[in-house]
Amino acid sequence: AQRVTQPEKLLSVFKGAPVELKCNYSYSGSPELFWYVQYSRQRLQLLLRHISRESIKGFTADLNKGETSFHLKKPFAQEEDSAMYYCALSVHTSGTYKYIFGTGTRLKVLA
Amino acid sequence: GAGVSQSPSNKVTEKGKDVELRCDPISGHTALYWYRQSLGQGLEFLIYFQGNSAPDKSGLPSDRFSAERTGGSVSTLTIQRTQQEDSAVYLCASSFRDTGAGEQYFGPGTRLTVT
Repeated sequence: AQRVTQPEKLLSVFKGAPVELKCNYSYSGSPELFWYVQYSRQRLQLLLRHISRESIKGFTADLNKGETSFHLKKPFAQEEDSAMYYCALSVHTSGTYKYIFGTGTRLKVLA
Repeated sequence: GAGVSQSPSNKVTEKGKDVELRCDPISGHTALYWYRQSLGQGLEFLIYFQGNSAPDKSGLPSDRFSAERTGGSVSTLTIQRTQQEDSAVYLCASSFRDTGAGEQYFGPGTRLTVT
């Protein structure tokens, strides 16, 4: 079955410390993976997608097919990074695409 | 430009009543999604519309839930005979076209409380 697992509900780090938000997926096809972020009182929005191989706000995520992971990383956390982060997988079924989201990880960056 | 809009922003209803939630996607976006966001449950996929194709209803939790999309634009999610477990934030998202790698643009959500 297709699944996205984010094992940490809450992750607290100090400002300036490295941060890694874990995401593992289960999918037999070729995965399309995303990270979405929801800041306080804002809408859920795309942070980055693996196909773009981009770095947004200092965050990067590398797809590791061997470990079926797509962890989100940032070398030096900032207070403004505090938010809810969701990992998402796009799966192709019956001619259409469906997005499967993980349960999310709340990141708190402490001063 | 205008983003995805949803109405109402908040809805309190009594158990057993029907509710309708509305989503206005970004103009020109052919794909539209409904999700349910519950505390500790993440985002639960409910239903997906793509152009004129039959919707993917595989995520609807029961037959009390239904959705339609008129004219390829506005969508309405209807919950009949609401139950307390239906309390959640209902999110709508749209994307320009469904390629599997496209960005979804989310609305602000409707917070539904069933008393």
